Amino acid sequence: DQQVKQNSPSLSVQEGRISILNCDYTNSMFDYFLWYKKYPAEGPTFLISISSIKDKNEDGRFTVFLNKSAKHLSLHIVPSQPGDSAVYFCAASLQTGANNLFFGTGTRLTVIP
Amino acid sequence: DGGITQSPKYLFRKEGQNVTLSCEQNLNHDAMYWYRQDPGQGLRLIYYSQIVNDFQKGDIAEGYSVSREKKESFPLTVTSAQKNPTAFYLCASRMGPGYGYTFGSGTRLTVV
Repeated sequence: DQQVKQNSPSLSVQEGRISILNCDYTNSMFDYFLWYKKYPAEGPTFLISISSIKDKNEDGRFTVFLNKSAKHLSLHIVPSQPGDSAVYFCAASLQTGANNLFFGTGTRLTVIP
Repeated sequence: DGGITQSPKYLFRKEGQNVTLSCEQNLNHDAMYWYRQDPGQGLRLIYYSQIVNDFQKGDIAEGYSVSREKKESFPLTVTSAQKNPTAFYLCASRMGPGYGYTFGSGTRLTVV
């Protein structure tokens, strides 16, 4: 049962435009959300996170929005750059318990020069 | 520099053989994790360990075994019982609640 879902397996965006990657989750107990970026044959690298007590977190070109009532979060990248081309994973965790991360299936972003 | 080291980067195994993937971290993290990635799928948790000498099964533990004798090391053994072992394996560690994972660079295992 996939508790974190990324329904778009791929996304193509022109350089300089905004990239919006979406993520939905089913477990209302999740209270910490993260985005990871992954290049082929490499481990994911942490990008940005948000606690459930916030609805927005911004770091440079990257902004994550959280809508708890809709159980939805999104990652905005603006402006998009060719180096942003990678697979982006959304992840969620519970502050209690084993603190495992539950990952989505990933969205492959291609930024076209 | 602190980080997680996975070795080898590429590994080939014959059917019926056990193979062990190495994961070492010098970040002083208590928790360590093993994930598997298959094409078109998210990362699936195999095993995790929150403290030395303790580990728990994840969602897809069948055919795998682990040990956590030292804080720095969390090796994963892929046994012959694993029906479809060809995949990309990722090791991660974490300081604790509220912290993100630090991942290794992965090991691609191919059964030939």
